[in-house]
Amino acid sequence: GENVEQHPSTLSVQEGDSAVIKCTYSDSASNYFPWYKQELGKRPQLIIDIRSNVGEKKDQRIAVTLNKTAKHFSLHITETQPEDSAVYFCAASRMTGTALIFGKGTTLSVSS
Amino acid sequence: SAVISQKPSRDICQRGTSLTIQCQVDSQVTMMFWYRQQPGQSLTLIATANQGSEATYESGFVIDKFPISRPNLTFSTLTVSNMSPEDSSIYLCSVRDRVNEKLFFGSGTQLSVL
Repeated sequence: GENVEQHPSTLSVQEGDSAVIKCTYSDSASNYFPWYKQELGKRPQLIIDIRSNVGEKKDQRIAVTLNKTAKHFSLHITETQPEDSAVYFCAASRMTGTALIFGKGTTLSVSS
Repeated sequence: SAVISQKPSRDICQRGTSLTIQCQVDSQVTMMFWYRQQPGQSLTLIATANQGSEATYESGFVIDKFPISRPNLTFSTLTVSNMSPEDSSIYLCSVRDRVNEKLFFGSGTQLSVL
């Protein structure tokens, strides 16, 4: 089955800096890669996703890149703000209705 | 996106007892899943709730401990049976949108077992 590795486990940046979180996956048949943000005491919220027919996707300060050959994908947050502080999870699945398999999460702390 | 109602939101239970968690979705969805999130940990898939048939369990999870029902396309329950303190966790219902395949979570059930 699918296995998703996520790095780093913790990341501390200054406000305004960029943050990058990286994930690798094992199942070459996976073709859907979402990212979730979870604030303390709340449910995970989908923030961006990418499908395997696209190499990069951007939504304002957030971007995701995918390298299918190397089986890794990354989340990029630019101009970080204190409200970006949260736990971020990457995930992978096949798009044919299967469950998502999650990475272990990255705790991002943005200090002002 | 689908609106997912999950209850109870939290409960404190005695060891040896069972708790049933309910998940109601406002639209018919094909795929429903149950996840567990232990304190400070990631999301671990327990099982896929199949409509009209037995749930499909992941390695490490068994039907006797986590029986799941899904009588129709909008409702599912997860029971945590014969609870021990190790079952203290957040349990999350999730659904996958049939159009865009995005996965959304319910608000979760915070379970504490004494």
